[in-house]
Formats: sequence, structure tokens, C-alpha cells
Amino acid sequence: NAGVTQTPKFRILKIGQSMTLQCTQDMNHNYMYWYRQDPGMGLKLIYYSVGAGITDKGEVPNGYNVSRSTTEDFPLRLELAAPSQTSVYFCASSYLSPEDYEQYFGPGTRLTVT
Amino acid sequence: GDSVTQMEGPVTLSEEAFLTINCTYTATGYPSLFWYVQYPGEGLQLLLKATKADDKGSNKGFEATYRKETTSFHLEKGSVQVSDSAVYFCALTNFNKFYFGSGTKLNVKP
Repeated sequence: NAGVTQTPKFRILKIGQSMTLQCTQDMNHNYMYWYRQDPGMGLKLIYYSVGAGITDKGEVPNGYNVSRSTTEDFPLRLELAAPSQTSVYFCASSYLSPEDYEQYFGPGTRLTVT
Repeated sequence: GDSVTQMEGPVTLSEEAFLTINCTYTATGYPSLFWYVQYPGEGLQLLLKATKADDKGSNKGFEATYRKETTSFHLEKGSVQVSDSAVYFCALTNFNKFYFGSGTKLNVKP
């Protein structure tokens, strides 16, 4: 099992550009999450999904969109990138509710918007 | 809203010293509490968790007790090692959402 994989590892975007961060898990997990981690800060939840076809907003969803067409994939879309979106993005998954099942994290995508 | 507050770092200790990292939380209902560890360049890994009041989570010599009366979940280890150097995050989950503290960097010197 590869676990949770994220691509790309690094990306530099110009202001106003768009991109999609890819996240795939091969553990047949139902729950998937996107977080951002700003320097010296904890993780903040952007969006999450409890199953294919179901997504919901987290703490900081503005400027992002997600979709969950399959159990395995949970891409995060940035439209009109802004410098405030410079951050490290982590995708995570868990089998079911995170109260009961461990959340597994991907290695992260470091995004810089200039 | 729900939130987690943890002590600022960095914390620098000598090997075999006692470690405490403070964590307090604000939450409605009955959250579950977690400690995660992040090594340089990696994602977070679950260290331990507790799902109800008075539960003690433990792993790799680390432990933390869920104290509802003081809304705390302090992380302790009796004797730290150089390999424990990392950033430690306190977190809670409530209604499928996770809330993380800002992280505490631990440096252990030989």
C-alpha cells in the first residue's frame, strides 16, 4: 500500500493562475480531508468528504473547491491564486469517523504564489 | 467555536530530561483529543489519543490524560531521546471536523 499520495510536491504559481492539487489513497478509506499549514501554525481544515459524492466545508474553504467522484481521489482546486494561499497543503484520510479511526497524512504539497 | 491552544516553543531539553507540553481546548459536546507528531519534511503521524474524560492515551513512552474539568490534554514523557525531536500538535475532533493547535517544536540535545 502506498497510503496517501499527493502531487505535486512543490509548485510556484503566479497570482491569478489556477491549479489542482491531487490526492489519492489506496486504503479504501471513506473520509478524506484537505488541510493547509501556514508557517509556525497548526493545520486548518479546508474541506472534507465522508464518501464519494459528498463534500463539506471546513474552517477555511474560501478560494478552494473540491470534488469526490471516487473513493480513492480527492482533488483540491485553486482558482485565481492569491499570495494568501502560499502554504503547505496536506491531504489525509481515515476509514470512518476520525474519533474512532486513525487519520493518515500525505507528505504535503508546498505551494508558493507570487 | 472549537479550538486548541498549546504552549509555544521551541522547547529545548537535554537527553533523558522530563517533557511536558501543555494543551488546553475549547469545545462543545464531547470531543476526542489527539497528539500528532511531525518530523521534518513529513506529514503528521498520530502519536496517541483519548476519546473520553479520564482516558489516558499512551504510545512510545508518551502519555496524556483527558481532563474534562480543566479542559486539558497535556503531553508528558519521562525521559526524552534525541530521536524525539519534532513538532508536536495537539488536536481535537468534533462532528467530523479536526482542530489543531499551532504546534510545539521540541529540540532534544545529546
